[in-house]
Amino acid sequence: QKEVEQNSGPLSVPEGAIASLNCTYSDRGSQSFFWYRQYSGKSPELIMSIYSNGDKEDGRFTAQLNKASQYVSLLIRDSQPSDSATYLCAVRGEGGNQFYFGTGTSLTVIP
Amino acid sequence: KAGVTQTPRYLIKTRGQQVTLSCSPISGHRSVSWYQQTPGQGLQFLFEYFSETQRNKGNFPGRFSGRQFSNSRSEMNVSTLELGDSALYLCASSPGPGETQYFGPGTRLLVL
Repeated sequence: QKEVEQNSGPLSVPEGAIASLNCTYSDRGSQSFFWYRQYSGKSPELIMSIYSNGDKEDGRFTAQLNKASQYVSLLIRDSQPSDSATYLCAVRGEGGNQFYFGTGTSLTVIP
Repeated sequence: KAGVTQTPRYLIKTRGQQVTLSCSPISGHRSVSWYQQTPGQGLQFLFEYFSETQRNKGNFPGRFSGRQFSNSRSEMNVSTLELGDSALYLCASSPGPGETQYFGPGTRLLVL
């Protein structure tokens, strides 16, 4: 079983819609969760981190965490074509501080 | 603050050769992690260094090694290159172990 799982997509949404990206993790003791965006041919860049159950908002982005369900999601409101990228979910394991990454979800925003 | 820098950005090697990649973390960051990214496997953790000590190691063969210097700069070395080592090698910098990681631009290695 993979530590972090994401739907690989591709996920397509029209411009202006809400894009919803999901991630599940296996280590129940995980405490830190991160979303990265990776454009084709580029390196991952941090979008948000979340540590507590509930929602965390930053501009058009909202991260949601449910530790009981071992589930973290990222909502992108008013999606723009520039949001088209692969979104990586990362989880810091409880033990040795190692980060585990999902394989990413490819998002395409259609103008 | 300057971001994470990695050199070289691109490399072409042949099977059997060895390669050394370099990473300079964000100023003040003392933890450096290395990842291999391939289309099929995604981001795979190689190792993490903090205060010149390897703290964690991923499931890679011994051909992959690394080190960290007193100024927190890190190098990774791959010996006896194989075709399957072709990948984007990413360095991530963080203030300390387990803290938020910031990625460098990566080194794209092609093994022929």
